[in-house]
Amino acid sequence: QQKVQQSPESLTVSEGAMASLNCTFSDGTSNNFRWYRQHSAKGLEVLVSIFSDGEKEEGRFTAHLNRANLHVSLHIREPQPSDSAVYLCAVSMSNYQLIWGSGTKLIIKP
Amino acid sequence: EAGVTQSPRYAVLQEGQAVSFWCDPISGHDTLYWYQQPRDQGPQLLVYFRDEAVIDNSQLPSDRFSAVRPKGTNSTLKIQSAKQGDTATYLCASSFDGGSQNTLYFGAGTRLSVL
Repeated sequence: QQKVQQSPESLTVSEGAMASLNCTFSDGTSNNFRWYRQHSAKGLEVLVSIFSDGEKEEGRFTAHLNRANLHVSLHIREPQPSDSAVYLCAVSMSNYQLIWGSGTKLIIKP
Repeated sequence: EAGVTQSPRYAVLQEGQAVSFWCDPISGHDTLYWYQQPRDQGPQLLVYFRDEAVIDNSQLPSDRFSAVRPKGTNSTLKIQSAKQGDTATYLCASSFDGGSQNTLYFGAGTRLSVL
């Protein structure tokens, strides 16, 4: 059974500094990794999808996948206060089998 | 293009009451998912449909929960007799084709409180 853990639980970063979030998973055969963002009172917004080892950039968001180390990270360049939200990592072999982490609460200080 | 629409946004019930949640997916998306997200946790799949057919409802508490998607478009999730443990946000998502690399798009959710 796939297990997904995120760290840290909470992170405070100053506006403009790089924010880095981590996600570890237990099944290295997974091939579908996504980072979502959840603002309070809003739905989940997909940020980056990555399917092979290496980096994938979408605007200010970069995901880095290393399946040998069972690790996928998200880096946010030049974060703004509007990026304050809960960030969720989802790992799977197929969409309906998405297994989610419990999230990292990110706070960007002006 | 309109996103996934859910209603109501909030619901507050006493234990034993019934409630229905409604979802309108993105036009053209054949796959629809219902998730339950307890506070401070990630979403947990309850059921998903391909068109009008239920593909997997193994995590749906069948004694009190039911879900339908009669015409393969909108969907309704119903709780017959709510319990305090049902307190959570209920999220609807849709995708095209349900393939492993197709993105799920989520609605804003319905936040349910059972007193």
